[in-house]
Amino acid sequence: GAVVSQHPSRVICKSGTSVKIECRSLDFQATTMFWYRQFPKQSLMLMATSNEGSKATYEQGVEKDKFLINHASLTLSTLTVTSAHPEDSSFYICSAIQSGYGYTFGSGTRLTVV
Amino acid sequence: RKEVEQDPGPFNVPEGATVAFNCTYSNSASQSFFWYRQDCRKEPKLLMSVYSSGNEDGRFTAQLNRASQYISLLIRDSKLSDSATYLCVVNQAGTALIFGKGTTLSVSS
Repeated sequence: GAVVSQHPSRVICKSGTSVKIECRSLDFQATTMFWYRQFPKQSLMLMATSNEGSKATYEQGVEKDKFLINHASLTLSTLTVTSAHPEDSSFYICSAIQSGYGYTFGSGTRLTVV
Repeated sequence: RKEVEQDPGPFNVPEGATVAFNCTYSNSASQSFFWYRQDCRKEPKLLMSVYSSGNEDGRFTAQLNRASQYISLLIRDSKLSDSATYLCVVNQAGTALIFGKGTTLSVSS
């Protein structure tokens, strides 16, 4: 089956620093990766869609200069939260599509900015 | 208007109860429909896809009404382990999944 490995699972960082979150497809090639954010008691909100080898497409209201997405290979997509602030504290999760298996999610990253 | 709307609950039911969740979606171009389950601080997991003809998986029955843009999930004989948040999800082929806010279910003994 399709597996997406996401890490770190939890990170605490100081305000103003940057945090990188990685998602790797372990046994398939993920040409497209979706990045979501979930605040407490809220739904998963799509932040951006990343396609291997091209620029990510960001949803309205998501700052592309703050949330840097890189999808340089078919098995790795990264999300970097730059100059993080407490309001960026959230649950970040990636998802990839594999033909025949549908959508597979990473296990999520809980970011706390202090 | 949000793309996918659900009653957030919570639904508090005793073991053995039958509970129904409803969901509406706004995009008539939506092609695929799902119910996901999310446990606290975990990633969502696919519970079942939803088809126009309705489909059943054990104690779970899902229904779709495209004309009304309405999706439902029925859980029979609730178990303690059914306690979770149930997410109504729609999408168009190849695009990102669009999630509802979720309905929280708490089953007690």
